[in-house]
Amino acid sequence: SYELTQPPSVSVSPGQTASITCSGDKLGEKYTYWYQQKSGQSPVLLIYQDTRRPSGIPERFSGSNSGNTATLTISGTQAMDEADYYCQAWDSSTVVFGGGTKLTVL
Amino acid sequence: QVQLQESGPGLVKPSQTLSLTCTVSGGSMSRGGYYWTWVRQPAGKALEYIGRIYISGSTNYNPSLTSRATISVDTSKKQFSLRLSSVTAADTAVYYCARGGEVGDGFDIWGQGTRVTVSS
Repeated sequence: SYELTQPPSVSVSPGQTASITCSGDKLGEKYTYWYQQKSGQSPVLLIYQDTRRPSGIPERFSGSNSGNTATLTISGTQAMDEADYYCQAWDSSTVVFGGGTKLTVL
Repeated sequence: QVQLQESGPGLVKPSQTLSLTCTVSGGSMSRGGYYWTWVRQPAGKALEYIGRIYISGSTNYNPSLTSRATISVDTSKKQFSLRLSSVTAADTAVYYCARGGEVGDGFDIWGQGTRVTVSS
């Protein structure tokens, strides 16, 4: 079965840029989606089709995908961005989620 | 705007069947291209796809759950449901319903989640 691998944790200072990676075999040939989940809340779609933002998502969130790795980048990270982040892709008509990355804003 | 709300028992005994319903409000359930999905999350762990259903009734399941999961839809009630049979403690999780198909193939609307505990 297809697997997506994320680092368990990433730390960033306020105002700096955070990068969260998601790795999978030939992931660049698939679309990647990113979700933010704050403590005790439901996931929120941040990025779809690798780079696109749903309406209402701040411009500081961006995505890229190439080769075996997709990356979520948060520019000018704010304290409110502290959350768990999950990547997601489609494989053989089914949905696969990554293991999640906890972003800490120090 | 569309909202989703999960409902169902919070406690299920081992070996029994877990049954949950997701009610869609504030918009259409029947627009072509939408699919209605169940995702679960054990405490402190990652999201796990359970399956999805289209208005046509077509379904898709996580291969690891396909033998135990059944998703159905009732458009007249604007609801879709999950049944998971032969549950064990490993099925204890928060269960979310979500909508796909509006924003690429991402899940743009989620319910608040309902916690289900499997215990005798």
